[in-house]
Amino acid sequence: DVKVTQSSRYLVKRTGEKVFLECVQDMDHENMFWYRQDPGLGLRLIYFSYDVKMKEKGDIPEGYSVSREKKERFSLILESASTNQTSMYLCASRLTVGGIMYGYTFGSGTRLTVV
Amino acid sequence: QKEVEQDPGPLSVPEGAIVSLNCTYSNSAFQYFMWYRQYSRKGPELLMYTYSSGNKEDGRFTAQVDKSSKYISLFIRDSQPSDSATYLCAMSEPGGGNKLTFGTGTQLKVEL
Repeated sequence: DVKVTQSSRYLVKRTGEKVFLECVQDMDHENMFWYRQDPGLGLRLIYFSYDVKMKEKGDIPEGYSVSREKKERFSLILESASTNQTSMYLCASRLTVGGIMYGYTFGSGTRLTVV
Repeated sequence: QKEVEQDPGPLSVPEGAIVSLNCTYSNSAFQYFMWYRQYSRKGPELLMYTYSSGNKEDGRFTAQVDKSSKYISLFIRDSQPSDSATYLCAMSEPGGGNKLTFGTGTQLKVEL
């Protein structure tokens, strides 16, 4: 089974700090994604990446950036954390074989609180 | 109007009941349909995956897709307390950047 590992389960950061959320997958998937999940709003796509050094904005990229220097690792960066970025952050990877796309595998999530 | 609509619940049923969870969508280009289960404080896990219309069965779970009505369903037979979780529908277009569009989730509680 694919494993997607997020480095932290819980984080508390101060307003204005630069925050790094790390995600590693072990199955050589090209596609990786960062979502945030908030009550009543569901999962919203922040950024995604097709391959190393490639990235595309999702629906809510403001205040975030990403880095993908290696295929297995996709990092989400909060440039200057704000309280409205308090949320559950979920990383996922997705397998595509011969043009057929399969479901995401998610990590366990990082619950970030910005104070 | 959201692209994918899902009743948030909560839905409470007795153990052994048949549960029906539903989503409607507006984008006729969606071809891939999925159901995820999410336990509290965990990431979602893929339950069912369906391409285009039709039914798919896996144990106690059945997924149905009706593209003409833009409506998908997940049925859970003989529901168990361990089925208590939030269920998320998700869907994507072919080649649509591999992005999934999610419903907001339905919270299910199966009571003893």
